[in-house]
Amino acid sequence: GIQVEQSPPDLILQEGANSTLRCNFSDSVNNLQWFHQNPWGQLINLFYIPSGTKQNGRLSATTVATERYSLLYISSSQTTDSGVYFCAGVYSGGGADGLTFGKGTHLIIQP
Amino acid sequence: NAGVTQTPKFRVLKTGQSMTLLCAQDMNHEYMYWYRQDPGMGLRLIHYSVGEGTTAKGEVPDGYNVSRLKKQNFLLGLESAAPSQTSVYFCASRPGLAVTDTQYFGPGTRLTVL
Repeated sequence: GIQVEQSPPDLILQEGANSTLRCNFSDSVNNLQWFHQNPWGQLINLFYIPSGTKQNGRLSATTVATERYSLLYISSSQTTDSGVYFCAGVYSGGGADGLTFGKGTHLIIQP
Repeated sequence: NAGVTQTPKFRVLKTGQSMTLLCAQDMNHEYMYWYRQDPGMGLRLIHYSVGEGTTAKGEVPDGYNVSRLKKQNFLLGLESAAPSQTSVYFCASRPGLAVTDTQYFGPGTRLTVL
């Protein structure tokens, strides 16, 4: 299966700061998604982004499929952005296979 | 439209006990998945189903069984629970095999095995 590496593993920022989270894949993937897991454990879909760039408010994501990486940008951070951010994808030759997740980036936004 | 729901939300078992986790989706999705999440880790796939009556093994299937008797439900069973199965379990569903299909996740079940 594919390997998914996320960096940095931990990030502590002050409210209002910007951040970039990175996700690298070992092989070609489909169905690339970014998730936010809030402090209560709920997984929230942020982006479905197999290629290109998408924006949703203060969050945006870019995937460069040919180079096997994706970036998540968070601008003007708020304390509610705290939690763990996961990227995940399905190996492009895997058919109905489930998502392979990275270990996540643990983000703490301090007031 | 409730999306993906999981029952129960929390459960404590003793070693050797059995239980079944229920996942239900009302979106008429073909594919359903069970994952587990351990501390400091991302989710790992246990089993999945590509349609009613079908199941397949994922990355960490040992100690679990699944069934998909109805399209909307996917059951995860632990026949003889072990402390190593203490985890948070997430269910997900996906419309089909189109490359644009995203997975939708339930709220999770927190299981502790003593």
